[in-house]
Amino acid sequence: NAGVTQTPKFRVLKTGQSMTLLCAQDMNHEYMYWYRQDPGMGLRLIHYSVGEGTTAKGEVPDGYNVSRLKKQNFLLGLESAAPSQTSVYFCASSSGPGEGTEAFFGQGTRLTVV
Amino acid sequence: KNQVEQSPQSLIILEGKNCTLQCNYTVSPFSNLRWYKQDTGRGPVSLTIMTFSENTKSNGRYTATLDADTKQSSLHITASQLSDSASYICVVSGSGGYNKLIFGAGTRLAVHP
Repeated sequence: NAGVTQTPKFRVLKTGQSMTLLCAQDMNHEYMYWYRQDPGMGLRLIHYSVGEGTTAKGEVPDGYNVSRLKKQNFLLGLESAAPSQTSVYFCASSSGPGEGTEAFFGQGTRLTVV
Repeated sequence: KNQVEQSPQSLIILEGKNCTLQCNYTVSPFSNLRWYKQDTGRGPVSLTIMTFSENTKSNGRYTATLDADTKQSSLHITASQLSDSASYICVVSGSGGYNKLIFGAGTRLAVHP
């Protein structure tokens, strides 16, 4: 019963490097989300997807790209990492858009850009 | 501007004591309010979800209250345990689905023996 799994758990990047964070869910959820969590702030939505093949921008999308080629996977890419992208990234999934629908979060990816 | 503010930022209590965490929000229109528990190094886990018409909801030793008129919510923890040490996050959902979640910064609770 894995739920939502994020890979990797930790990563250190140099400025300008690229990387992809992987989120996988085994609950057959349509909706998937990427958030970032910074000290003293609430989680902020980066991008989200309402189904396979669809993506949409959230509150803080700049510097990130996403893809949802398979229903169970949601990838977050950083093409040219910047120190401002140092954060903890959380993926979440849900069966519906809201109105009481539960969301399940992964364990997070701690990214440091030096 | 839609905002969710939580108080206090941090709290230390002794094991076995009760505590209450506060959440004020300005999100409008309002759909539902959630409380999450986030252990250090882990993702948030849902404790309660309340809609506009619900005043209180319990989950074991956790009881959440909601006053939609004053736009305030509280999370009461009874007979605290060491395992309650975590951050507690208030999340308010506006209209338009899950992409409209507004997260508070959280209250960090430490329960000491």
